[in-house]
Amino acid sequence: SQQGEEDPQALSIQEGENATMNCSYKTSINNLQWYRQNSGRGLVHLILIRSNEREKHSGRLRVTLDTSKKSSSLLITASRAADTASYFCATAEETSGSRLTFGEGTQLTVNP
Amino acid sequence: KAGVTQTPRYLIKTRGQQVTLSCSPISGHRSVSWYQQTPGQGLQFLFEYFSETQRNKGNFPGRFSGRQFSNSRSEMNVSTLELGDSALYLCASSLERATGELFFGEGSRLTVL
Repeated sequence: SQQGEEDPQALSIQEGENATMNCSYKTSINNLQWYRQNSGRGLVHLILIRSNEREKHSGRLRVTLDTSKKSSSLLITASRAADTASYFCATAEETSGSRLTFGEGTQLTVNP
Repeated sequence: KAGVTQTPRYLIKTRGQQVTLSCSPISGHRSVSWYQQTPGQGLQFLFEYFSETQRNKGNFPGRFSGRQFSNSRSEMNVSTLELGDSALYLCASSLERATGELFFGEGSRLTVL
């Protein structure tokens, strides 16, 4: 079953604009991660935020985590055509042991 | 350092057959996880192995099995294939914990006819 629900399902923007994707989850977590997947290929890890952290940055990426609302957001600033991909949030649930539970993903299209 | 290698990349089988997929993790990584990705169900956790032991298992029927060898390489097997088993099977490795940063292979695309 999917832990995370991502919003929006699809997002289309112009190069240079910012892209924001949201993820909601249902249970208590140890950490939340974001991954990127280019069409039909493997996933690439972007960033990990622990449950006691509220915000984290990595290059053009900014992730926030609100454990009281059980939600996270991923902001990509100054988007490039190469950012076109699917983005997934994944949670390490406190009670699920050694596994990640992935959301349904957001398909981001950045138009040149 | 070489990444996670999955073989074969593409394969076509018919219903009732079985298939074995292979995954070589990053050198030094001891945890290997397997995920199934389909358009309808998204990414679903299959199982995780650590030091040759299955540490966690997802909600898949017994037709799905796996193992890990002493060099951390892992295989997964699906017996009595069904049409619904058509999917991208992804392997991911990590140093110790399957809840930390995962390094994914490119996947094995299985088509069942």
